[in-house]
Parts: sequence; structure tokens; C-alpha cells
Amino acid sequence: DQQVKQNSPSLSVQEGRISILNCDYTNSMFDYFLWYKKYPAEGPTFLISISSIKDKNEDGRFTVFLNKSAKHLSLHIVPSQPGDSAVYFCAASGSGSARQLTFGSGTQLTVLP
Amino acid sequence: EAQVTQNPRYLITVTGKKLTVTCSQNMNHEYMSWYRQDPGLGLRQIYYSMNVEVTDKGDVPEGYKVSRKEKRNFPLILESPSPNQTSLYFCASRTSGGYNEQFFGPGTRLTVL
Repeated sequence: DQQVKQNSPSLSVQEGRISILNCDYTNSMFDYFLWYKKYPAEGPTFLISISSIKDKNEDGRFTVFLNKSAKHLSLHIVPSQPGDSAVYFCAASGSGSARQLTFGSGTQLTVLP
Repeated sequence: EAQVTQNPRYLITVTGKKLTVTCSQNMNHEYMSWYRQDPGLGLRQIYYSMNVEVTDKGDVPEGYKVSRKEKRNFPLILESPSPNQTSLYFCASRTSGGYNEQFFGPGTRLTVL
């Protein structure tokens, strides 16, 4: 049973418009959430994160929103650029000492010029 | 340059032939981890290590072994590979404190025939 779900395998957006990537989780013990970006033939790279005590975190063109009651988070990219085309993974961390990450299945974002 | 390196990047082998995938990091990180990425399943953790000589199972440890004799190295061992271990493998590392921004290696594409 997947505890972190990304229900959209792919998303296409026009350059300059907003990209919204969604993620749902089931485990209420998760207290920290991250987004990773992955280009082909490379490892995932950290993009942005949010603690469960916040509902929004912004870093340049990237904003993550957390709705704890709905167990839902989203990543907004504004404006979208062709270089943003990649697979985006949502991940969640529990409070144990190892703070292991549980990943979603990823969403392929394609930004069309 | 701070990085996580993996070798080999690509490997094709046959069922039952023991293999080792090496992982090394130069950031003096205490925590290291192995993941496999499969279509529709995202990244799943195989094993992790909190420090030298301290290892523990992740979500999918069956068929794998690891060792952590030195802080910088964390090899993944497949004693008797099977076709269901065909996958894309990532090594990652992070510091032991704080939240979970992991640094990933470039990946190893393994095919078991």
C-alpha cells in the first residue's frame, strides 16, 4: 500500500504558465515533506521542502503548499520554463531517528515552448 | 566538488552471478542509503546505514546485502541476482542531524538476464 501517491503520471504545460503537481499521503506521522527533481540519466536533486508546522514554503519560482487536514501537498512552478521538464518526486519523512524517506511514483512534467 | 559516485553506471549480467555496485561520497555524511526505482513505484529504499558498521533494512531488502566498513563507502551486493532485480539503483547520503535532504548518485542501470 503506497503511503505517498502521485496520481498524475504526466503533465504538460505551456511555457510561462503555472505548473501544479500534486501529492497525497496517508500516514499522519509524516512531519516533513520534500520535492525532488530528476532529469534523465541523473540522480534526483532536492528542490524544496516543507515542515508540517507550515502550510506554505516559497523559493523563487517554486512554492510548496501543505494541507494537513486533507493530507495533500502541491508544488507550484510559476512561470514554467522548458528547463523545468523533468520527473518530480514527492517524498515524506517520519519522525523516527532514521528519518527515512517514502517516495511517490513521480510525475513527468513537460513544459512546451 | 561534493558528490555521490556510483559504479558501474550500467551493468548487464546473468542470473546467479554475484555482483557489487559501489557507492562513495566525499561529504563526510553519516547516513547512506540505497534505493531502487521501478516504473509506477517511485523510489523504494533497500538498505540504509546510520554510520560505520550500522546498517538496517529498508522496505525492499530481500536479495540484497550491504556493508559499511568506512564512512565514505556503502557497497550494494547482490549475491545471486534474479531478473526481478532488474532496476535503476540510486545511492544517497546525508548528514545525520536535521531534516532529510539527501544527495543522490547518478544511478546504476542493472539488467539481470
